[in-house]
Amino acid sequence: DADVTQTPRNRITKTGKRIMLECSQTKGHDRMYWYRQDPGLGLRLIYYSFDVKDINKGEISDGYSVSRQAQAKFSLSLESAIPNQTALYFCATSGPSGQGESGYTFGSGTRLTVV
Amino acid sequence: GDSVTQMEGPVTLSEEAFLTINCTYTATGYPSLFWYVQYPGEGLQLLLKATKADDKGSNKGFEATYRKETTSFHLEKGSVQVSDSAVYFCALRGTGRRALTFGSGTRLQVQP
Repeated sequence: DADVTQTPRNRITKTGKRIMLECSQTKGHDRMYWYRQDPGLGLRLIYYSFDVKDINKGEISDGYSVSRQAQAKFSLSLESAIPNQTALYFCATSGPSGQGESGYTFGSGTRLTVV
Repeated sequence: GDSVTQMEGPVTLSEEAFLTINCTYTATGYPSLFWYVQYPGEGLQLLLKATKADDKGSNKGFEATYRKETTSFHLEKGSVQVSDSAVYFCALRGTGRRALTFGSGTRLQVQP
């Protein structure tokens, strides 16, 4: 099984619908992140969480919300999807920086299309 | 704020050619620097990293040196293979920052 699992892998939804993207990890990491990837823009941070009670907005959080249900689970929701939220979404985890700069472990991504 | 600038792609090379992908950054303090690679249909994988000035990160024949004087972290490989075709992302974690900042990515295409 993958260290970081994202579901679904692909999703097409209609404008105005609520949708949830899920992420679970077996790394035992406390830190989890949601990024979106757009062509030519790289990855941009949506939300991040350093533990179940620590949720923080990233640079593009408008239109999104998150839930950290447990250490291993971090979900991203689009309350009312719009076409410009069409993108590839990645979940990532990392260990605490005190253990050395280990970088991130990424999931395989969710390709979301809003029509 | 922190930012990462990468050369635009695609970069197209023949097999066994020398590769350089430029990366420069803006950040306060002493950031940690990373290169990630994304193969088609997959998530990003850490390729190499450097956490202080003059450090050289290396992995799978790829190298990058943390140059604070030029705020650069260019990725190099002496002889590329078709299997190196992917998108490469430069990233940093600024001092006191809690998340990575990524560049826009550079697509590398290696032809046989």
